[in-house]
Amino acid sequence: GAGVSQSPRYKVAKRGQDVALRCDPISGHVSLFWYQQALGQGPEFLTYFQNEAQLDKSGLPSDRFFAERPEGSVSTLKIQRTQQEDSAVYLCASSLNRGEQYFGPGTRLTVT
Amino acid sequence: SQQGEEDPQALSIQEGENATMNCSYKTSINNLQWYRQNSGRGLVHLILIRSNEREKHSGRLRVTLDTSKKSSSLLITASRAADTASYFCATVYNAGNNRKLIWGLGTSLAVNP
Repeated sequence: GAGVSQSPRYKVAKRGQDVALRCDPISGHVSLFWYQQALGQGPEFLTYFQNEAQLDKSGLPSDRFFAERPEGSVSTLKIQRTQQEDSAVYLCASSLNRGEQYFGPGTRLTVT
Repeated sequence: SQQGEEDPQALSIQEGENATMNCSYKTSINNLQWYRQNSGRGLVHLILIRSNEREKHSGRLRVTLDTSKKSSSLLITASRAADTASYFCATVYNAGNNRKLIWGLGTSLAVNP
């Protein structure tokens, strides 16, 4: 079956614009994670869903960041009023349990 | 914030040599995972070792875990140019429902043909 897919793969936004990043997890995976990865760094946890419930959003850097997974499948990460420091690769991963996570290709966001 | 630290930060070896990377972490864990990341394939899971395991093998990979020292090592034997990538360790906390991965900064490995 298909892996985790993310769209768009690349996004350029002007400072102050809102953006929405989409993640399609592997079918049947109840856990979904969002990570932010700056250039040359490891991923940083943003938020975690189990089915439609957002169980942990401790990594969201500000209230401009919002994530949802209304039907327990596709998830959207929204960033309002983007700032230059939001430029990064946003990675989505899905998992069955506490084991390995399967990552999508990421969305590279550049805020100009 | 990131909890793991890998060393070395960068490693350059010749094809056929072995590569060893180390990872340290700060809190008690449920499991520790190693991932590889390169531009071609993104982040890919390599191997998972549980907190009650000490050593695990997968093909040319060998992982050890020392929970008393809060450290792990990844050994890649008989390296190939295709092993050139960044390698990250990531831990899952041993805390209730928590499943998020906490990542190290990574080791950049270059295998020269």
